[in-house]
Amino acid sequence: DGGITQSPKYLFRKEGQNVTLSCEQNLNHDAMYWYRQDPGQGLRLIYYSQIVNDFQKGDIAEGYSVSREKKESFPLTVTSAQKNPTAFYLCASSMGVTSRQPQHFGDGTRLSIL
Amino acid sequence: GQSLEQPSEVTAVEGAIVQINCTYQTSGFYGLSWYQQHDGGAPTFLSYNALDGLEETGRFSSFLSRSDSYGYLLLQELQMKDSASYFCATRENAGNMLTFGGGTRLMVKP
Repeated sequence: DGGITQSPKYLFRKEGQNVTLSCEQNLNHDAMYWYRQDPGQGLRLIYYSQIVNDFQKGDIAEGYSVSREKKESFPLTVTSAQKNPTAFYLCASSMGVTSRQPQHFGDGTRLSIL
Repeated sequence: GQSLEQPSEVTAVEGAIVQINCTYQTSGFYGLSWYQQHDGGAPTFLSYNALDGLEETGRFSSFLSRSDSYGYLLLQELQMKDSASYFCATRENAGNMLTFGGGTRLMVKP
């Protein structure tokens, strides 16, 4: 079955540590996105990528980094510069960034501070 | 920039009809989407309106008035499984980047 897989489901970060969240899709989608969701809030865009080896900052990119070396993969690194990383992180993909196609979401990674 | 407003919470009984409103302020507008998210789960796409009027998909309908910067999601024949958060989201340009509202938590009671 085609879909988006995020791992791990739960992740704990120590002070000063970088952690990487995995996102893999087998939908053959060109565009991929990372969102952050805080309790009781909407989704805020961190980064997006339209094509391999290209990505753009979203509204809240500070303290995060991404890479897009393969079409299927769009990992997100939460760096030590992100002082309030505790949140629910959602990865999504769509057929194209210039398309009105819906975004398909993974099941998310819940990140907490130790 | 963009901002979207929706009620934080709505309660309705099983079998009833409920309307969730969304008003938006955007520098550009290409369409309004609706997503459903159960607690702790992945958002799933419900509907998209690019033009004024009503779009119907089964028990769910979505309406858009671009002149009023307003849309709504209508859920009919409510079921317990419809208890979830519902988010409206706008496209500001021809790209597919979305700006989400804060979400409306719908509680369906027996």
